[in-house]
Amino acid sequence: ILNVEQSPQSLHVQEGDSTNFTCSFPSSNFYALHWYRWETAKSPEALFVMTLNGDEKKKGRISATLNTKEGYSYLYIKGSQPEDSATYLCAFDRGSTLGRLYFGRGTQLTVWP
Amino acid sequence: DADVTQTPRNRITKTGKRIMLECSQTKGHDRMYWYRQDPGLGLRLIYYSFDVKDINKGEISDGYSVSRQAQAKFSLSLESAIPNQTALYFCATSDQGTQETQYFGPGTRLLVL
Repeated sequence: ILNVEQSPQSLHVQEGDSTNFTCSFPSSNFYALHWYRWETAKSPEALFVMTLNGDEKKKGRISATLNTKEGYSYLYIKGSQPEDSATYLCAFDRGSTLGRLYFGRGTQLTVWP
Repeated sequence: DADVTQTPRNRITKTGKRIMLECSQTKGHDRMYWYRQDPGLGLRLIYYSFDVKDINKGEISDGYSVSRQAQAKFSLSLESAIPNQTALYFCATSDQGTQETQYFGPGTRLLVL
């Protein structure tokens, strides 16, 4: 069984607050780490794919970092807005020959106006 | 038009009934996946297929079967539905060689009475 852990499970913040959450994954057989954003009543949508140790990706107010040696990734949201409310999923990728993603349980973020 | 479609979007059935959930995609991807989502458990993989002649079990395949009728179509069957198969089911696709970013359908909400 391959464990991908996300913390915290849920998070409630006030509009304007910055926040971050964690994804932990095995440090062996690493190929890529994916972040998805999943809004209620919609489908998960890809945010980032990260492949290199020390990688940092940014999309608007959302950014992510990657440490493959210790097996963790952080997702940061700067100045949270109510429209950021969603579940954020990370997924561990061992490579296309092995073919599949291993998803964490997600962090559910609620941003109050 | 959506690239990944699922039918039906909602379904209520009775214990013991056979039902089929269908997934179609216009992205031209070789790889297709079926997941179920239960509250607090994230996305769990049921079956996946790398091409028309390839079918692989995920971690929760018991009680399910699949059929890859064509590159664009991947169906999930519950041979004899039971109440603990009540869940939200997602189909996803990916293209080999692109770090396995997966593109999700809108989901099928299934209730087994």
